[in-house]
Amino acid sequence: QVQLQESGPGLVRPSQTLSLTCTVSGAFVNSGGHYWTWIRQRPGEGLESIGYIRFGTTHLNPALKSRVIISVDPSKNLFSLDLTSVTAADTAVYYCARGVTDHTSGWSWFDPWGPGTLVIVSS
Amino acid sequence: DIQMTQSPPSLSASLGDRVIITCRASQTISNYLNWYQQKPGKAPKLLIYATSSLQSGVPSRFSGIQTGTDFTLTISSLQPEDFATYYCQQTYSAPFTFGPGTKVDIK
Repeated sequence: QVQLQESGPGLVRPSQTLSLTCTVSGAFVNSGGHYWTWIRQRPGEGLESIGYIRFGTTHLNPALKSRVIISVDPSKNLFSLDLTSVTAADTAVYYCARGVTDHTSGWSWFDPWGPGTLVIVSS
Repeated sequence: DIQMTQSPPSLSASLGDRVIITCRASQTISNYLNWYQQKPGKAPKLLIYATSSLQSGVPSRFSGIQTGTDFTLTISSLQPEDFATYYCQQTYSAPFTFGPGTKVDIK
């Protein structure tokens, strides 16, 4: 059973860097069959894809691309999100998830998800 | 980016009702469409992938189809545990965008 768990500070000061990790159990982050993704949800709003990493290559939401770094640490079996120069608009619940791809059809979906972690940007 | 829309934004329904939620993409996405269910304070849960494939463990009262450019999620007989917000997602082109959600609550 694959499980993901986000961790990181719940409070970040404006202009600082938000750093989160997602620890994976039941699967290997350096396995070729999956990709690893971050999603966020601002309070009371919908879901926004931040980006994902696959085979060491990242694919980032253009709206956030200049501020986002996603990386993988196979030695700890986790992947990370760094979001720089945060503002109050970055206050959200951040989710990590495994991306699954059917290599025959190209279909892809996110499953499972971590429980999420709330990050508040405030001074 | 591909924009996803959903209708209705919310609906009220009774136990046993048939519920239909519609999703549309701003451009072609073939059948690269997933549906998720989210309950308050919880992470989204995959219900259906590739338009109509039911995720393992999801009750058969959930189904998905594509009609032209519209995708629909149907709950055939609403159960108490189905009151939640439902999101569609396209994975045809990155960034993989979500619809704004449809909240299903109790009439």
